[in-house]
Amino acid sequence: EAQVTQNPRYLITVTGKKLTVTCSQNMNHEYMSWYRQDPGLGLRQIYYSMNVEVTDKGDVPEGYKVSRKEKRNFPLILESPSPNQTSLYFCASSPGRMNTEAFFGQGTRLTVV
Amino acid sequence: AQSVTQPDIHITVSEGASLELRCNYSYGATPYLFWYVQSPGQGLQLLLKYFSGDTLVQGIKGFEAEFKRSQSSFNLRKPSVHWSDAAEYFCALTQGGSEKLVFGKGTKLTVNP
Repeated sequence: EAQVTQNPRYLITVTGKKLTVTCSQNMNHEYMSWYRQDPGLGLRQIYYSMNVEVTDKGDVPEGYKVSRKEKRNFPLILESPSPNQTSLYFCASSPGRMNTEAFFGQGTRLTVV
Repeated sequence: AQSVTQPDIHITVSEGASLELRCNYSYGATPYLFWYVQSPGQGLQLLLKYFSGDTLVQGIKGFEAEFKRSQSSFNLRKPSVHWSDAAEYFCALTQGGSEKLVFGKGTKLTVNP
């Protein structure tokens, strides 16, 4: 089954404690991205990757890092989480040839206290 | 910069009634347009998309949308709403040459029995 898998689904952490949210896709997609969803703001892109070892900032990259060492994986790293990063996070992938559908993971609800 | 506006934050309809969710966009050329649905606790699922050609597009779950260039709109419609349609709906666009999705802030749909 074609899917994008995020882990964990729920996470509560403390300010400053480094964490990683994993994202994996099994569709051999080239393009992957991370979004955060906040009430009244919709979804905003954090980072994206056009292919292995190619990443770039989205609209709200501050406080986040990503890496793309393998085509299927695109982890989101919060080196020093802060309460304003409490949000619902989505990973998405698409073939990268335009005119195509983005597939989304189930989401990770992160709370930073 | 491109943007997507969903004027209605929350809409309530009765089961069996017709539905129209509004979406307006701002973009210099013709964008690629999408409607996604997010059921409670779930990721985003693509309902339909418009790239070119016929301005009335059909999607899954009985939804359709009409692209109107003169009004910069891409409204989503359904003739008869079911209780299972209660969810949040997001309109989004990408510009030519980019995989980045720009989302509206979403419209939450409540369906009364």
